[in-house]
Amino acid sequence: DTAVSQTPKYLVTQMGNDKSIKCEQNLGHDTMYWYKQDSKKFLKIMFSYNNKELIINETVPNRFSPKSPDKAHLNLHINSLELGDSAVYFCASSPKPQRYLAGEGDTQYFGPGTRLTVL
Amino acid sequence: AQSVTQLDSHVSVSEGTPVLLRCNYSSSYSPSLFWYVQHPNKGLQLLLKYTSAATLVKGINGFEAEFKKSETSFHLTKPSAHMSDAAEYFCVVSFYASGGSYIPTFGRGTSLIVHP
Repeated sequence: DTAVSQTPKYLVTQMGNDKSIKCEQNLGHDTMYWYKQDSKKFLKIMFSYNNKELIINETVPNRFSPKSPDKAHLNLHINSLELGDSAVYFCASSPKPQRYLAGEGDTQYFGPGTRLTVL
Repeated sequence: AQSVTQLDSHVSVSEGTPVLLRCNYSSSYSPSLFWYVQHPNKGLQLLLKYTSAATLVKGINGFEAEFKKSETSFHLTKPSAHMSDAAEYFCVVSFYASGGSYIPTFGRGTSLIVHP
């Protein structure tokens, strides 16, 4: 069974469209993340949810909106796609924060990535 | 400010020779430190992590890293490179923030090239 899964794996779309990427984890983790990896491989955190509550929201255009229907899912919706949104988007999850589980709380488990190409 | 610096964007070694990938960080607190590996067109996989136990951390595939607080470093090593080690390596520092959350900060990555 895949621990952290993302769909779709590839997404090709036109500028101006709205698209969503889905993420699911079956590890029972409380925290989920979205990262963007640019063409130079740089990984930047976008959002983090802890038990469905938004806890990290980096400087991301408000065209990006995360949605967490339950703690096993964190979807990313992108409105009015732009050329600069082309990247690989990774979802990740981690267990409870360290104050509950010493030493393990912040190990992240990554999904396989979604390669978004905006034409 | 908290930051992570991977000192080399590319490291090139011959198969069978040692590997050294360097990482330095700055933090006001004691962070958790990780190395992740990303093979071409794949997701990221945890190699090893340091969480204030032993300063020498052993990971998968023969990799090790040593935490040196005085140097604020967490360099990754392997005694003998294998062709399958060719990948992108990320040093990650995770800072515990208020409210029970972590702020993971990634280095810019080091591309390991292994020559036959």
